[in-house]
Order: sequence, then structure tokens, then C-alpha cells
Amino acid sequence: AQTVTQSQPEMSVQEAETVTLSCTYDTSESDYYLFWYKQPPSRQMILVIRQEAYKQQNATENRFSVNFQKAAKSFSLKISDSQLGDAAMYFCAYRGSGGAQKLVFGQGTRLTINP
Amino acid sequence: KAGVTQTPRYLIKTRGQQVTLSCSPISGHRSVSWYQQTPGQGLQFLFEYFSETQRNKGNFPGRFSGRQFSNSRSEMNVSTLELGDSALYLCASSLGGSFTEAFFGQGTRLTVV
Repeated sequence: AQTVTQSQPEMSVQEAETVTLSCTYDTSESDYYLFWYKQPPSRQMILVIRQEAYKQQNATENRFSVNFQKAAKSFSLKISDSQLGDAAMYFCAYRGSGGAQKLVFGQGTRLTINP
Repeated sequence: KAGVTQTPRYLIKTRGQQVTLSCSPISGHRSVSWYQQTPGQGLQFLFEYFSETQRNKGNFPGRFSGRQFSNSRSEMNVSTLELGDSALYLCASSLGGSFTEAFFGQGTRLTVV
């Protein structure tokens, strides 16, 4: 079975600085998808960024980028120019290939932004 | 375009009762998945429905069941509620293909007393 591990229960960063959230996963599949979701106090999960395992290029979405190391099974999220609105729980998630939509989540990292 | 709608938002039930939660997916989405979120266990996959068929199931007892209607709306039912069933139940919808992403609703907060 696939597992996802986030080793940082909490992180904090000063506004406008850069922070990196860590995620490792375990799978025997060669093709899969990885995601970072954000869950603010409103509880709604919001997709931040996604990465297809077959793509070597790291995904980027504005201030959010990932460092995808397939051999090391590592998938970290970098947030640049942190803003107060970035404060939330961040979840790393894995989904296998094919059409099935089952997501396996890590335990989450609570990110605090200090003004 | 309307998002994923879950009803009700909050629910309080007594041990032994049963409960039904509803999820209306984004228009055109045929896949609906359900997740349970608790402080201790985190986010756990319950099941996925695609075109009215259960396509995948998580490791939950048979008290947890679901169904999907022809309009893709889904319901989740929990029978004989236990205190440990208190959780945030999240629904996610997607088109259902390999390259699609899941969109989540705001969840239903269930409290069992």
C-alpha cells in the first residue's frame, strides 16, 4: 500500500520569506500523481499544485513550486514571498495512475505566517 | 460554475443512530469520493463512486456505505453511530480520468454524542 509522510507537523515563516514543506512517499508504482492541498480554517481543501511522476520538470504555480525527486520519493513544496493568506494546513497527497480517484494523504503541516 | 456542495454542514447525532450525508458534485463530474478527517487518523479514503458504481473502497467497516445517483449526486450513510465516527466528512468530485484533479466541498462536521 502507498504511504505519504509529512515529517513537519508545524512550520512558521516570516511574511515575504520563503518556506519549504517536506513530503516523502512510498510506492511500487512507476506512474502516479502527487499533489499539495491547502486547507484553511474554512476547511475546504484547495489544490495548490500537482505533479505527474513521468514529468521530470518540477511543477510551478506562481509563488508555489515543488522539488520532485522520483528516485528519493520526495516531493517538497516551496512557497516564495509568503503571504498572510498562505496560513493553513498543507497536505501532501498521492494518487495512483489510471482513472481511480483515491487520494492517500500525509498527516499535514500547519503553516503559520508571522507578520 | 458552482462548486461541490455538501449538506448539511453540521450535524449532531446520538450513538446508535444512523446518518445520511449528501454531496452534489460540480456539473459534469462523474466521480465522487468521500473522506473522513479526524485529528488522530488524519484524512482517510472511504469510497469512490463513478457513474453510479463503487469503483474503490477504503478500509472502513460495513456500517459505512454510499451510493451515487444518475445525476452524479452522492450520499453517504453511517449506521449504528459510534463516538469514534465524529469527524469532518469531505466529498470530492472530479471528471474521473487519469489527468483530472479532485475538487473538494466544505465538508460536513458530524458530532456523535
